[in-house]
Amino acid sequence: GENVEQHPSTLSVQEGDSAVIKCTYSDSASNYFPWYKQELGKRPQLIIDIRSNVGEKKDQRIAVTLNKTAKHFSLHITETQPEDSAVYFCAASIGAAGNKLTFGGGTRVLVKP
Amino acid sequence: GAVVSQHPSWVICKSGTSVKIECRSLDFQATTMFWYRQFPKQSLMLMATSNEGSKATYEQGVEKDKFLINHASLTLSTLTVTSAHPEDSSFYICSAGLQGNQPQHFGDGTRLSIL
Repeated sequence: GENVEQHPSTLSVQEGDSAVIKCTYSDSASNYFPWYKQELGKRPQLIIDIRSNVGEKKDQRIAVTLNKTAKHFSLHITETQPEDSAVYFCAASIGAAGNKLTFGGGTRVLVKP
Repeated sequence: GAVVSQHPSWVICKSGTSVKIECRSLDFQATTMFWYRQFPKQSLMLMATSNEGSKATYEQGVEKDKFLINHASLTLSTLTVTSAHPEDSSFYICSAGLQGNQPQHFGDGTRLSIL
């Protein structure tokens, strides 16, 4: 089955700096890659996603890049703010976006003011 | 739109008790619902996939007789943790898959604590 590795497990940045989280996946059939932000005790919230026919997608301060050949994708957060502090998860699925997800291990991001 | 309601949000009960968690899609029909378990400071692990009107598909290592899943309608799926023990204490989250290549929508989760 699919295996998703995520790095780093923790990331501390100064406010205003950029944060980058990287994920690799094992199943070349995976074609949908969402990123979730989860605050303590709350549901994961979708912040951005990318499909395999696209190499990059951007939404304001958040961007995701995908390298299908290398089977890795990354989340980039620019101009970080304290409210960006949370746990971020990458995930992968095969087929439609509503299909079952395999999650990475998560990255705890701390933005220091 | 696409709201998933999960109930209860928090359960504390004695060891040996069975606990039922409900997951409802409020404004759409969910042909597929997923159940995840999340231990503290860990990732979400898929337990099972349930499709309306059919038996759930369980992930490897998940005991189907312990975690009973029912998906009797297009808007309701339930997870029953039978004879719960302290090691079953966790955060359980459901999500619903929409048609039309839309992302899953997650419920608020249920924090289960077994004493």
